Amino acid sequence: GQQLNQSPQSMFIQEGEDVSMNCTSSSIFNTWLWYKQDPGEGPVLLIALYKAGELTSNGRLTAQFGITRKDSFLNISASIPSDVGIYFCAGQLGDKIIFGKGTRLHILP
Amino acid sequence: NAGVTQTPKFQVLKTGQSMTLQCAQDMNHNSMYWYRQDPGMGLRLIYYSASEGTTDKGEVPNGYNVSRLNKREFSLRLESAAPSQTSVYFCASSERGGLYGYTFGSGTRLTVV
Repeated sequence: GQQLNQSPQSMFIQEGEDVSMNCTSSSIFNTWLWYKQDPGEGPVLLIALYKAGELTSNGRLTAQFGITRKDSFLNISASIPSDVGIYFCAGQLGDKIIFGKGTRLHILP
Repeated sequence: NAGVTQTPKFQVLKTGQSMTLQCAQDMNHNSMYWYRQDPGMGLRLIYYSASEGTTDKGEVPNGYNVSRLNKREFSLRLESAAPSQTSVYFCASSERGGLYGYTFGSGTRLTVV
């Protein structure tokens, strides 16, 4: 079946650092989505990308839809403690969304 | 507040017991989904309902059944719980087949002993 490869699996960074994570797939997707999950909660949509090459920002977050439609990245600038959590990429094709396995972000004081 | 409501939040079952996880959304969404989340496995789709009256299997449907009771409600049933079904279960809903992403509930943490 379709799979998304999300990396890295986990990250330990200092507060204030920039963060970068990405997803790749062997399949082409029409939409790429990035979610964040806080402990004990469900994932919440951060950014949605609908066109190849699209670059979208949401505050300190920036995400891009790869030109080949098989990849996407998410950058977080100047990380703060509340950025801690699990970040999921997701690709949509038809009426199904496939999720990556997540990147767990840890922030050191 | 508008959103997806799941009940219960926590549940412990003995092997072989049955239970139903409830999910309701008040956003008038057509599509609803059930996922399970296990450590290192991400979110895996169990069943989904593209619209009222239809249900389809996802990636890991074995051991589960679903009912789309009406447009608002989508329940997940475990007929005979097994330890392998210990997981966190998330319900989600979307409009237009997820074009604008899913809205997730806060999850049900299920332990089967």
